[in-house]
Amino acid sequence: DAGVIQSPRHEVTEMGQEVTLRCKPISGHNSLFWYRQTMMRGLELLIYFNNNVPIDDSGMPEDRFSAKMPNASFSTLKIQPSEPRDSAVYFCASRLRDGTYEQYFGPGTRLTVT
Amino acid sequence: GQQLNQSPQSMFIQEGEDVSMNCTSSSIFNTWLWYKQDPGEGPVLLIALYKAGELTSNGRLTAQFGITRKDSFLNISASIPSDVGIYFCAGQNAGGTSYGKLTFGQGTILTVHP
Repeated sequence: DAGVIQSPRHEVTEMGQEVTLRCKPISGHNSLFWYRQTMMRGLELLIYFNNNVPIDDSGMPEDRFSAKMPNASFSTLKIQPSEPRDSAVYFCASRLRDGTYEQYFGPGTRLTVT
Repeated sequence: GQQLNQSPQSMFIQEGEDVSMNCTSSSIFNTWLWYKQDPGEGPVLLIALYKAGELTSNGRLTAQFGITRKDSFLNISASIPSDVGIYFCAGQNAGGTSYGKLTFGQGTILTVHP
């Protein structure tokens, strides 16, 4: 079975540019999570969705970050404008449904903002 | 907010040795998960625990949900070079507003010398 799919795997961009990260959750899963991982702060939850609806976005750093889930099989995380401090690995994870706990992670997108 | 203290931060062992790492929480958890992350990849779920006192194995891995519900440990027996990676604990809080979210430990970096 296909796991969580993320694209691109690597992104290098200049400060001020818009960046869009993409995620396809495991088929049949209806919860989706976006995380950011850095050496300093570890894994941080940015936002999560249940049934395509954002439930908790308290981890989104600031207004430059936005996430959407237009349907059950696709989500985007957008950063506009990007800054060097946004450099990190961004993971998407999916979960079968609300009330279960196992989250399954994608391979991540390594973002470098110069 | 909630914090998980994971220890040790890093371990350097010889192939064939057993490994033990643990996580403690300041609050009660109703679920503990253990993940392994290989370089350049996303965390992979190893073991999930749901009941206080539960002891679960997955091959050479054994994990336990502490009786107090505030801790968990992971043991790896007879380590092999492919066990190298970062091991994370993650917990689901028993109540409050954090329902649906996992709290992650800081990770244990495991190095296995052949």
